[in-house]
Amino acid sequence: DAKTTQPPSMDCAEGRAANLPCNHSTISGNEYVYWYRQIHSQGPQYIIHGLKNNETNEMASLIITEDRKSSTLILPHATLRDTAVYYCIVRVREAGGGNKLTFGTGTQLKVEL
Amino acid sequence: DGGITQSPKYLFRKEGQNVTLSCEQNLNHDAMYWYRQDPGQGLRLIYYSQIVNDFQKGDIAEGYSVSREKKESFPLTVTSAQKNPTAFYLCASSGDTITDTQYFGPGTRLTVL
Repeated sequence: DAKTTQPPSMDCAEGRAANLPCNHSTISGNEYVYWYRQIHSQGPQYIIHGLKNNETNEMASLIITEDRKSSTLILPHATLRDTAVYYCIVRVREAGGGNKLTFGTGTQLKVEL
Repeated sequence: DGGITQSPKYLFRKEGQNVTLSCEQNLNHDAMYWYRQDPGQGLRLIYYSQIVNDFQKGDIAEGYSVSREKKESFPLTVTSAQKNPTAFYLCASSGDTITDTQYFGPGTRLTVL
């Protein structure tokens, strides 16, 4: 399984960009990188995913290095509601055809005034 | 509203009793998943189903059972054989066969007394 490494916590001032790093040095060529976030006691929320190219949607941008061994999730203008645990995940294809999302402990992002 | 529903949000049971957690989706997704989350931890895969009448064990299937009689429904039974059933249970579904992005329900918090 490709594993990911994230800092346990980060702080960000409201209105500033939040840059959340993730290392996935053992990623295979056909494995996607996913980002989810989880607000306390709620189900994880999908944010964005990518394979090789940088991606952007209405929530965030995903920057993947050329060697694909690391990525950065960017929340361009963080708000208090972005306070959550952010998970960087590499999808693993199961033998039965399903896809397991291996969630580590993630990064607790705290957005402050 | 389209989405994934889990009921109830909180569930209490006495030790030794089986309990079934509901998961319903109206997204027309083929794949459905059950995860377990313990305090301060990531999610661990219990069972998943790619199509109706078919399912596979995940990493921690012991003490759990599932059924997939309908596309919309994927109930999870926590049996008395599960040694530590108190946890937060999350259901997810996926309909994209290329990226397999999973979307999560709100979760059920099970407490066994």
